[in-house]
Amino acid sequence: EVQLVESGGGLVQPGGSLRLSCAASGFMFSNYDMHWVRQGPGRGLEWVSGFGTADDSYYAVSVKGRFTISRDNAKNSLYLQMNSLRAGDTAVYYCARGLEGSSDDAFDIWGQGTMVTVSS
Amino acid sequence: QSVLTQPPSVSGAPGQRVTISCTGNASNIGAGYDVHWYQQLPGTAPKLLIFNNHNRPSGVPDRFSASKSGTSASLAITGLQAADEADYYCHSYDSMLSDSVFGGGTKLTVL
Repeated sequence: EVQLVESGGGLVQPGGSLRLSCAASGFMFSNYDMHWVRQGPGRGLEWVSGFGTADDSYYAVSVKGRFTISRDNAKNSLYLQMNSLRAGDTAVYYCARGLEGSSDDAFDIWGQGTMVTVSS
Repeated sequence: QSVLTQPPSVSGAPGQRVTISCTGNASNIGAGYDVHWYQQLPGTAPKLLIFNNHNRPSGVPDRFSASKSGTSASLAITGLQAADEADYYCHSYDSMLSDSVFGGGTKLTVL
């Protein structure tokens, strides 16, 4: 079964750090672009970051310089290191698979999400 | 404020047809980038409903269809069912932002 499972969410104080993980199974992880998408409480979807198969990474303006995406193909895992966290980063963070490896990719597989709460 | 504009809500009676619009501009939909649609049932992760403007993934009923023209796209749902009650999001790429972008979402209520 093709599956993505996120972990690492939790409560963190403003200015703090957190590292999210996404474990992939059921497909050849190294062949796909992978992304992080978040959804604030009662809000819509927001793309956060993507990591391509050519070791290329991309970030939304709102997180550039604070978040770092990485992947370990040997462990079939995607990561998101989040530093200098703000209240506005509070959201459910989803890991998602890119369908075709293009810039206007659809995200065909999603994890169940992990909740990040930034609050004092 | 989302780059792609969707109506906040739509509604319809069981069996009816509804459409959800997604309006962009010349740097995203109008630039030729593909549009995708997702369904998010309450309390669950989004699910891909339509990819590359009009294609349905395996398992998605043909009651769901979509099209794209100019700087806009639309999702149509026919034969509305109570199970279709969900939030629907359009998704594309914006070359000016160099970002993947989503619409603000549309809540579908089945009356």
